[in-house]
Amino acid sequence: DAKTTQPNSMESNEEEPVHLPCNHSTISGTDYIHWYRQLPSQGPEYVIHGLTSNVNNRMASLAIAEDRKSSTLILHRATLRDAAVYYCILSLFRDDKIIFGKGTRLHILP
Amino acid sequence: NAGVTQTPKFRILKIGQSMTLQCTQDMNHNYMYWYRQDPGMGLKLIYYSVGAGITDKGEVPNGYNVSRSTTEDFPLRLELAAPSQTSVYFCASRETLFGGTYEQYFGPGTRLTVT
Repeated sequence: DAKTTQPNSMESNEEEPVHLPCNHSTISGTDYIHWYRQLPSQGPEYVIHGLTSNVNNRMASLAIAEDRKSSTLILHRATLRDAAVYYCILSLFRDDKIIFGKGTRLHILP
Repeated sequence: NAGVTQTPKFRILKIGQSMTLQCTQDMNHNYMYWYRQDPGMGLKLIYYSVGAGITDKGEVPNGYNVSRSTTEDFPLRLELAAPSQTSVYFCASRETLFGGTYEQYFGPGTRLTVT
């Protein structure tokens, strides 16, 4: 199975951009890259996903390396409410399920 | 839409007791999932279903059973509760989109303690 590698934790200051990295060196050409986040005491929520091109939505941006072996989730202006565990996940083309790793715990400093 | 709802929110079980965790979604999604999350860890997939009448095992199915008689409901059954099943259980659902373009919607979770 294709796997992802993320740092265990990161810190950032409030109102500054945050770049959350993810390595997925065994990704195949048809695997999508998904990001979810889990706020304290809540279920995970979808953030963004992409295949090859960079993607933007109201929550974040996803920058995908040209060789697709890594990607970066960008929060443009972090707030205290962005403190959460962020999961980078590969969605396999012929698979009906997504498998979560341990994610990155993001701490936001006021 | 209520989205994905789970009941109960909290439950304490004695070792050897049985219970059913309920999950309902009102988005007409064919795909539904059960995950468990142990303290400080990521989510582990227990069982999933791609439609009514079809279920399949995930990463950690032992000690659990599921059924899917309707599109809306996907209950998870614990037959003989053990302390190792103390965890937070999340149900999720998604549309039938192929190729990895889908978004999963999660319920608020059920916190289960087995003592």
